[in-house]
Amino acid sequence: GAVVSQHPSRVICKSGTSVKIECRSLDFQATTMFWYRQFPKQSLMLMATSNEGSKATYEQGVEKDKFLINHASLTLSTLTVTSAHPEDSSFYICSARGEAGELFFGEGSRLTVL
Amino acid sequence: AQSVSQHNHHVILSEAASLELGCNYSYGGTVNLFWYVQYPGQHLQLLLKYFSGDPLVKGIKGFEAEFIKSKFSFNLRKPSVQWSDTAEYFCAVTPTDNTGFQKLVFGTGTRLLVSP
Repeated sequence: GAVVSQHPSRVICKSGTSVKIECRSLDFQATTMFWYRQFPKQSLMLMATSNEGSKATYEQGVEKDKFLINHASLTLSTLTVTSAHPEDSSFYICSARGEAGELFFGEGSRLTVL
Repeated sequence: AQSVSQHNHHVILSEAASLELGCNYSYGGTVNLFWYVQYPGQHLQLLLKYFSGDPLVKGIKGFEAEFIKSKFSFNLRKPSVQWSDTAEYFCAVTPTDNTGFQKLVFGTGTRLLVSP
């Protein structure tokens, strides 16, 4: 099946720094990718829809300037958490829509902000 | 508020027991329905999906789910669980909207532990 890879899988950073998480579709082209955030013991919350070559569409309540999303190619979307704070610590998961419309998920990236 | 509800947060079963995990949603209109599974240390994988047609959907690994429109439910079932079914199970719904993008909305998940 199609594979979506996220990198890094774990990252620890100091408060105030920025962190970039990459999401790659390895064997298919994805015009649409999605970024989710999962808090402990809670559901996955959709943060934004990333479209290749255009601006991302953010969900209500998600700060665009804090969570920068770039989808520069058909196989790569990046999420940058700017000026990270401890409350940004979470599990971030991306998914990519395959050519038949099915969603494939990355392994997730656990961010810890100290 | 519109949502997807999974009422069982933790389920513990013995091998060979039957499984039913509840999922209810509150969206009106046409929806697509999914069950995903996340095995320990792995990423989310699709178990089965319902778009239209026969409301009883069969998925991988012996799982099935039944869409009951009148109850806004899409419960997951398996007649006889195995130890390897230990995982977290997520129900998800894509409500249709006027943007054309079908956003996947997840339930809170049910953690299943199967004891040998």
